[in-house]
Amino acid sequence: DGGITQSPKYLFRKEGQNVTLSCEQNLNHDAMYWYRQDPGQGLRLIYYSQIVNDFQKGDIAEGYSVSREKKESFPLTVTSAQKNPTAFYLCASSPQGQAAPLHFGNGTRLTVT
Amino acid sequence: GDSVTQMEGPVTLSEEAFLTINCTYTATGYPSLFWYVQYPGEGLQLLLKATKADDKGSNKGFEATYRKETTSFHLEKGSVQVSDSAVYFCALSAGGYSGAGSYQLTFGKGTKLSVIP
Repeated sequence: DGGITQSPKYLFRKEGQNVTLSCEQNLNHDAMYWYRQDPGQGLRLIYYSQIVNDFQKGDIAEGYSVSREKKESFPLTVTSAQKNPTAFYLCASSPQGQAAPLHFGNGTRLTVT
Repeated sequence: GDSVTQMEGPVTLSEEAFLTINCTYTATGYPSLFWYVQYPGEGLQLLLKATKADDKGSNKGFEATYRKETTSFHLEKGSVQVSDSAVYFCALSAGGYSGAGSYQLTFGKGTKLSVIP
């Protein structure tokens, strides 16, 4: 079955360390997205990519970086510059088109202490 | 800019009760509208969608009608079950007319539903 795999499910890091969250999809989707979810705030877009080797900042890109070297993969790095990195991170993909729904992974819960 | 407003939760209902979760939106152009559901510890799943005015999306007993005149897309279910306990998100996609090809979704803040036996 096709889908999106995020790993790991739980991640713990010390403050000041960069950490990379993995996202892989085998749905052959062009577009991929990273969202951050905090209690009571819904989903906020961090970065998105509509094609390999191209990506755009979302609403809260500061302190994050991404790459899109392969169609299947869209890793997110949470850098030490991100002031409040503890959150639930969701990766999604979609085919192109306004009515195309997003397919989500099961998320990575990052805790930074 | 685009925005989605949905009723604040949490909502607690008894099994077999009628469910309504209100959702209104602000968008330029002609958005597509979606309801997503998130079960504990998981990502979001598409529940239903509608792409033009007066369309009704439906799935698993849930329904929502795209009302352009009231800019609303309220979610309803006639008889909820304990297994419907989850967080529900209303969302819109209003890309296309800008020509930038940006179809990213704008989400509401989510409504947590708890159904008790």
